[in-house]
Amino acid sequence: DAGVIQSPRHEVTEMGQEVTLRCKPISGHNSLFWYRQTMMRGLELLIYFNNNVPIDDSGMPEDRFSAKMPNASFSTLKIQPSEPRDSAVYFCASSPTSMGRVTDTQYFGPGTRLTVL
Amino acid sequence: DAKTTQPPSMDCAEGRAANLPCNHSTISGNEYVYWYRQIHSQGPQYIIHGLKNNETNEMASLIITEDRKSSTLILPHATLRDTAVYYCIVRSLGIYNQGGKLIFGQGTELSVKP
Repeated sequence: DAGVIQSPRHEVTEMGQEVTLRCKPISGHNSLFWYRQTMMRGLELLIYFNNNVPIDDSGMPEDRFSAKMPNASFSTLKIQPSEPRDSAVYFCASSPTSMGRVTDTQYFGPGTRLTVL
Repeated sequence: DAKTTQPPSMDCAEGRAANLPCNHSTISGNEYVYWYRQIHSQGPQYIIHGLKNNETNEMASLIITEDRKSSTLILPHATLRDTAVYYCIVRSLGIYNQGGKLIFGQGTELSVKP
């Protein structure tokens, strides 16, 4: 089991550029989560998908952020345009949750460290 | 979700048991206690969870008080690789958007020293 795969592991970009972060969940898991971690705010949930459908995006900071899950094995988090305050570590996690029940654990990827200059 | 209170930091000698406390005085009947840890520069890692009874797995033991208002995570023989931030999280059963989110607090930074 390869675990949750994220790419790139590190991204440095300039303010105003578009950034796309990628995630491949564990095979068979039907829930996917995007988190952001900063020193000031800690770990925050951005968005949650169940069976490829966005269920809760209340944590998405603003319209510059968008997330998609075109199929069960791939998700993207896009920031356009990026700003220095978006600098953070972005984690993707997946869970075998079914029918919306959340007693199952979440398995996290290694994260993408984003720096916006 | 109920809020949790953890000490910001703790030290433990290598080879000794590490006992990490967590207060969750407003926990409700259908809420589980979950523990995750985050080793530096890695994603959070699930450790253990429980509802009422004490639980044990290959990583740790979880002791929940009878009134469920507090719990203790026990690492029986801490090693240097157990140095991490440990998060105690309370989350409910059921449909995700009715409160099943994982909400991370500040956690306890455990330093295991030689």
